[in-house]
Amino acid sequence: DAKTTQPPSMDCAEGRAANLPCNHSTISGNEYVYWYRQIHSQGPQYIIHGLKNNETNEMASLIITEDRKSSTLILPHATLRDTAVYYCIVSFSGGYQKVTFGTGTKLQVIP
Amino acid sequence: GAGVSQSPSNKVTEKGKDVELRCDPISGHTALYWYRQRLGQGLEFLIYFQGNSAPDKSGLPSDRFSAERTGESVSTLTIQRTQQEDSAVYLCASSPLLGGPTDTQYFGPGTRLTVL
Repeated sequence: DAKTTQPPSMDCAEGRAANLPCNHSTISGNEYVYWYRQIHSQGPQYIIHGLKNNETNEMASLIITEDRKSSTLILPHATLRDTAVYYCIVSFSGGYQKVTFGTGTKLQVIP
Repeated sequence: GAGVSQSPSNKVTEKGKDVELRCDPISGHTALYWYRQRLGQGLEFLIYFQGNSAPDKSGLPSDRFSAERTGESVSTLTIQRTQQEDSAVYLCASSPLLGGPTDTQYFGPGTRLTVL
């Protein structure tokens, strides 16, 4: 399975956009990019996923580069409740693939 | 509807004892995953079930770990002769696997296991 690389930590001022990068240079053509986040002492929560087009939902936006080797998760107006560990993973769709979550990026939103 | 539930939420046990952790997936979800998360670490894959197919056990760290699932229902993760290094949060996730980009995993709150 493709591996991802994320910075271990980031800070963001409350109300500003948080931009979390992820490198997935070995992603294959039928693998999607998924983002999850884990707030302290809770199970991970799905945020968004995409294949090659940019995606937006009520939680975040996902920007995938044209070569699909990297992506950025954007939280447009970060709040203190967005403080969490954010995981970027790649996974096939519609079938089983063991995924590796890695250690993610710990985002600290600062008042 | 109801999400993934896990029980117990916390378990403290003595070294050498056996423990059983339970996961109730979302109704109708075909796939079920178990992960282990040590303090300050990422999620470590343990085992995967899909319907009646043979499970992927490749992540189980030793033969002290085993898991069962009957059909698309409850799963039980058993750790025999627990060791202190087994202390972690054990997370369960389920997924519908209906085809297309729907293998989003829905996680339970986890069971925090402490081995004294």
